[in-house]
Amino acid sequence: GAVVSQHPSWVICKSGTSVKIECRSLDFQATTMFWYRQFPKQSLMLMATSNEGSKATYEQGVEKDKFLINHASLTLSTLTVTSAHPEDSSFYICSAAPGGSYNEQFFGPGTRLTVL
Amino acid sequence: GEDVEQSLFLSVREGDSSVINCTYTDSSSTYLYWYKQEPGAGLQLLTYIFSNMDMKQDQRLTVLLNKKDKHLSLRIADTQTGDSAIYFCAEKEGGKLIFGQGTELSVKP
Repeated sequence: GAVVSQHPSWVICKSGTSVKIECRSLDFQATTMFWYRQFPKQSLMLMATSNEGSKATYEQGVEKDKFLINHASLTLSTLTVTSAHPEDSSFYICSAAPGGSYNEQFFGPGTRLTVL
Repeated sequence: GEDVEQSLFLSVREGDSSVINCTYTDSSSTYLYWYKQEPGAGLQLLTYIFSNMDMKQDQRLTVLLNKKDKHLSLRIADTQTGDSAIYFCAEKEGGKLIFGQGTELSVKP
């Protein structure tokens, strides 16, 4: 089946630093990747949709200067949380859709970010 | 925006059937999905149903769709302790998945 990996699986950082999270589709090419944020005991909230080679589309209320998304290849998207603060602590999950957003999404295992 | 709602908790005994319910608002949704999330993990697609279907069965899983009431349910037969997880229903709107809050299923031996 289609496998999506995320790295790192967890990260702890100091307030004010930047953290990069990678999302890779291991055995397929992903035209579209999605980034979600999940707070404890809550649902997944879509942050942004990224298409390979173009700028990401951010959902309302998501700061694009704070959450930088790069989708430089068909197998890799990165999310950088810039100048992280404790309120950015969350579980970040990516998904990848081969052939575009209307196809099935395959989810990564998630990255737990803790900002001290 | 569109909304997907689920009850938050369900507790059953091992061997019983579990029924997780979901209501959605976007009548144009083509596909409706059920995902499973185990602690600290990503989402696993369990099953999905096309909007022109009323029912879909896949081994222990049965999905029922009532389009008139915009109600979706997932029945797990012979529930096992390994089924303990959070279950999310989702609808697809404009290429994006809209998730419910998740139902935490607890299976007691």
